[in-house]
Amino acid sequence: AAGVIQSPRHLIKEKRETATLKCYPIPRHDTVYWYQQGPGQDPQFLISFYEKMQSDKGSIPDRFSAQQFSDYHSELNMSSLELGDSALYFCASSLVGGSVADTQYFGPGTRLTVL
Amino acid sequence: DAKTTQPTSMDCAEGRAANLPCNHSTISGNEYVYWYRQIHSQGPQYIIHGLKNNETNEMASLIITEDRKSSTLILPHATLRDTAVYYCIVRVVVGTASKLTFGTGTRLQVTL
Repeated sequence: AAGVIQSPRHLIKEKRETATLKCYPIPRHDTVYWYQQGPGQDPQFLISFYEKMQSDKGSIPDRFSAQQFSDYHSELNMSSLELGDSALYFCASSLVGGSVADTQYFGPGTRLTVL
Repeated sequence: DAKTTQPTSMDCAEGRAANLPCNHSTISGNEYVYWYRQIHSQGPQYIIHGLKNNETNEMASLIITEDRKSSTLILPHATLRDTAVYYCIVRVVVGTASKLTFGTGTRLQVTL
């Protein structure tokens, strides 16, 4: 079965640079979630989109922005990168519309290293 | 979302059943119990979820107490590949996208 695809899998950036992470949800899923997992920490919710509209927002820095496109893929844009942004970034997708209890399925993650 | 409490770590011998408890004493009537696991730095993997009835799938069984204040995830025959951090998450699901709030989870170590 098709899974969530994230690209790139690894990314190395310098401080103050920008980065764009991409997420391709499972086909027919209408919702995308972004999570950040710092070293030795548990995943923390950043932001989600349902039918291309932002549906919830967590502790996402103002330097980060995200959107969901007409084909339901999503991009997380990160500007003015800081050392503390080094983390694993996971995308998850689910089918919310018409579901009693949607289940989120996670991608393999993008490992971002800021030098 | 309701807060959950899990043991920090557990050990289990390979081939034996692993029983992972979770306390969610403040759970509301419209909140589901979800279980995920994360194998070292991989994306969290969905295991099972339930509302009030016990549930079973090819990976595990979920036993929810009658008052819904606690639950137990059962891996019937643990293998070394089941070594992971297991997260019990309580989540409102009302037809709109709702986040998963990860706690510290239980680190399960399966040994020979």
